[in-house]
Amino acid sequence: QQPVQSPQAVILREGEDAVINCSSSKALYSVHWYRQKHGEAPVFLMILLKGGEQKGHDKISASFNEKKQQSSLYLTASQLSYSGTYFCGTETQGGSEKLVFGKGTKLTVNP
Amino acid sequence: DTGVSQDPRHKITKRGQNVTFRCDPISEHNRLYWYRQTLGQGPEFLTYFQNEAQLEKSRLLSDRFSAERPKGSFSTLEIQRTEQGDSAMYLCASSPSADRISGYTFGSGTRLTVV
Repeated sequence: QQPVQSPQAVILREGEDAVINCSSSKALYSVHWYRQKHGEAPVFLMILLKGGEQKGHDKISASFNEKKQQSSLYLTASQLSYSGTYFCGTETQGGSEKLVFGKGTKLTVNP
Repeated sequence: DTGVSQDPRHKITKRGQNVTFRCDPISEHNRLYWYRQTLGQGPEFLTYFQNEAQLEKSRLLSDRFSAERPKGSFSTLEIQRTEQGDSAMYLCASSPSADRISGYTFGSGTRLTVV
């Protein structure tokens, strides 16, 4: 039931783009994205509901492909502050109303 | 509101001892969640509350773990007879409603070390 994230780690130079994927074997009701910096709590970025919507948040956006049960997080023109570990959390359709988190993708942005 | 507060921030205990953690959610949030996180892993679900009602407890959780949320305000998580495998960061989160469209606000966590 745990969603699968890929890649496990990404190293970028400032200004480069990255895509992080999150896939589930179950039909999803929603996908959440969080960023966690070392030693800190996860911080909510955005939520996508079933219906294939796309959301944006400054230079960070995400999409949700309901047919594939997959979400992608897009980080464009990366900044040093984007460094951290990104987690997707999924809530399944017809399941309990809690999030199950993936193992995370560690993003490092270098100058 | 100062966000979700957890206390203590760090706890070192000897194997076999009982420990209790406290979480104060954002005041207007109905939902409260407990997760556990180990190094290099995502948060693992433990249990959650809607107001004072405990709606679900992970099947992975042994009977040594118990949580309460009296009066639907703060919550406590107790671990009895701690084992070394219980060493982890325990995260509390809250969300405003049962409408399933709001993100979670996490606290800074309680880091438990069992020696």
